[in-house]
Amino acid sequence: GENVEQHPSTLSVQEGDSAVIKCTYSDSASNYFPWYKQELGKGPQLIIDIRSNVGEKKDQRIAVTLNKTAKHFSLHITETQPEDSAVYFCAASKRRGGGADGLTFGKGTHLIIQP
Amino acid sequence: DTGVSQDPRHKITKRGQNVTFRCDPISEHNRLYWYRQTLGQGPEFLTYFQNEAQLEKSRLLSDRFSAERPKGSFSTLEIQRTEQGDSAMYLCASSLEGLEGETQYFGPGTRLLVL
Repeated sequence: GENVEQHPSTLSVQEGDSAVIKCTYSDSASNYFPWYKQELGKGPQLIIDIRSNVGEKKDQRIAVTLNKTAKHFSLHITETQPEDSAVYFCAASKRRGGGADGLTFGKGTHLIIQP
Repeated sequence: DTGVSQDPRHKITKRGQNVTFRCDPISEHNRLYWYRQTLGQGPEFLTYFQNEAQLEKSRLLSDRFSAERPKGSFSTLEIQRTEQGDSAMYLCASSLEGLEGETQYFGPGTRLLVL
């Protein structure tokens, strides 16, 4: 089955700086890659996603890049703010948005924004 | 718009007892997923419904776990004869099938503690 590796496990950046979280996946048939933000005591919240027919997607301060050849995708957050502090998860799926395979998640990155 | 809701939010039980959790998806979402999340890990896919049909259940952790979605709306997840290793957050997500794929929206989760 699919395996998703996520790095780093913890990332501490100064407020205003950029943060980058990287993920790799094992199944070349995976075609949907969402990123979720999870705050303490809450369920994961989708922040951005990308499909395999697109190499990059941006939404305000957040961007995601996908390298299908390397089976690698990354989350970029610019101009970080204190409210960006949370755990971020990458995920992958072979079906459009999930389907019978569900989502396979990485282990998460704890992002800490230092004031 | 109400999001995905789950009940209860917290459950403490003694080993050997049965527990049942409820998930109410976003209205008109035809797909519903259950995940388990243990401390420091990403969510782990358990099972999936399309309308009332359970299309994937091989990922359920053991035969003590079962799920239903009798009318294609809310769903229940039951764990029989609970064990301490069942202690985790149980997350529900829903999505609406579409041509561009779909996004999974997660509920707040039910945190289970087995004593």
